[in-house]
Amino acid sequence: ETGVTQTPRHLVMGMTNKKSLKCEQHLGHNAMYWYKQSAKKPLELMFVYSLEERVENNSVPSRFSPECPNSSHLFLHLHTLQPEDSALYLCASSQTTHQPQHFGDGTRLSIL
Amino acid sequence: AQSVTQLGSHVSVSEGALVLLRCNYSSSVPPYLFWYVQYPNQGLQLLLKYTSAATLVKGINGFEAEFKKSETSFHLTKPSAHMSDAAEYFCAVSDASNTGKLIFGQGTTLQVKP
Repeated sequence: ETGVTQTPRHLVMGMTNKKSLKCEQHLGHNAMYWYKQSAKKPLELMFVYSLEERVENNSVPSRFSPECPNSSHLFLHLHTLQPEDSALYLCASSQTTHQPQHFGDGTRLSIL
Repeated sequence: AQSVTQLGSHVSVSEGALVLLRCNYSSSVPPYLFWYVQYPNQGLQLLLKYTSAATLVKGINGFEAEFKKSETSFHLTKPSAHMSDAAEYFCAVSDASNTGKLIFGQGTTLQVKP
């Protein structure tokens, strides 16, 4: 069983749909992260949760809404997305912030 | 503010040749530095990290990196490239804030020719 699991692996949705991305970590870590990886751009940090509390919101549009119900699970709720939101969304976790981060394999999101 | 620059978006080497991927950083405080590798259709995997201990850091798969404060560099090397090393490599610096967020470079795609 991999350390950080993301589902679904691929998602195609229209601009008016609502969907959620899920991340689960089996490493006993206390910090979790969402990143956006677009072609030809550096990875962009979106959100950081530490002990289930959001500690970083990196100027992300409100059409992205994170949720961290416990230290093992992290969600990213999506609604009324734009075509430029098509990207690979990566989840990561670490023992604490400042510790090395372990990444999931990502969700490839395509907005029609 | 911290930043990372990776010199060369594409590097091509022959199998068995030396691999050198360049990374320069900017940081107002002593940095934590990382190298990650990403294989196709996968997430990022930690290769090695520098956290102010030894300046020469050894990682997985035969990779190592040397922290040079005077040059603000953290270049990644491997003496002999394998075909399986073909991937994208990211250098990152840890932000000095409490969140410890990672600031990534643009990435370098390593091609290994037979």
